[in-house]
Amino acid sequence: NAGVTQTPKFQVLKTGQSMTLQCAQDMNHNSMYWYRQDPGMGLRLIYYSASEGTTDKGEVPNGYNVSRLNKREFSLRLESAAPSQTSVYFCASSANSGGALPGELFFGEGSRLTVL
Amino acid sequence: GNSVTQMEGPVTLSEEAFLTINCTYTATGYPSLFWYVQYPGEGLQLLLKATKADDKGSNKGFEATYRKETTSFHLEKGSVQVSDSAVYFCALTGGGSNYKLTFGKGTLLTVNP
Repeated sequence: NAGVTQTPKFQVLKTGQSMTLQCAQDMNHNSMYWYRQDPGMGLRLIYYSASEGTTDKGEVPNGYNVSRLNKREFSLRLESAAPSQTSVYFCASSANSGGALPGELFFGEGSRLTVL
Repeated sequence: GNSVTQMEGPVTLSEEAFLTINCTYTATGYPSLFWYVQYPGEGLQLLLKATKADDKGSNKGFEATYRKETTSFHLEKGSVQVSDSAVYFCALTGGGSNYKLTFGKGTLLTVNP
């Protein structure tokens, strides 16, 4: 099983450039999430989508936009990248229905983004 | 709001040593508690979980008990191996229909042969 797949795995941008991180899951999960991981900060939620057709802000949404394209795919867009957005980004998904335990997330391998 | 506090790392142990990583939390309602593990270069994986007070989660020799009276969920393992070297995250959900996870900052564990 592929699980949660993120692309690209590595990206270098210049300040002001835009890019989109792609995420797809093949587990038929309802909910999807974007986190960023920074040294000493743990994981912080950027945006999430509780179900297809809905998106909500997390803890650190500024500078980002998201699209839940369909049940499988959830993309994260940086419209004008800044050095403060240098981070490792993780996409995750969870079932949240049918008896699944809330909080049991499945993570992708991460996308390392550097903004110069 | 919800929050999770983990012991600061890094933690360095010799193989076969006893491991404890402390975790305390603040939450409203009845949260579920989790430990996630991140091996080098990988995403996070669920290690164990507990959904109510006095539950004990266990997996791969690791254990943690949900202590409501002390709002704690400490991770323990009796004999660590080099392959346990990773970053460990304590996390909780807010209970009810709140499916969002709140993570601690993570604790880096290095086990030397």
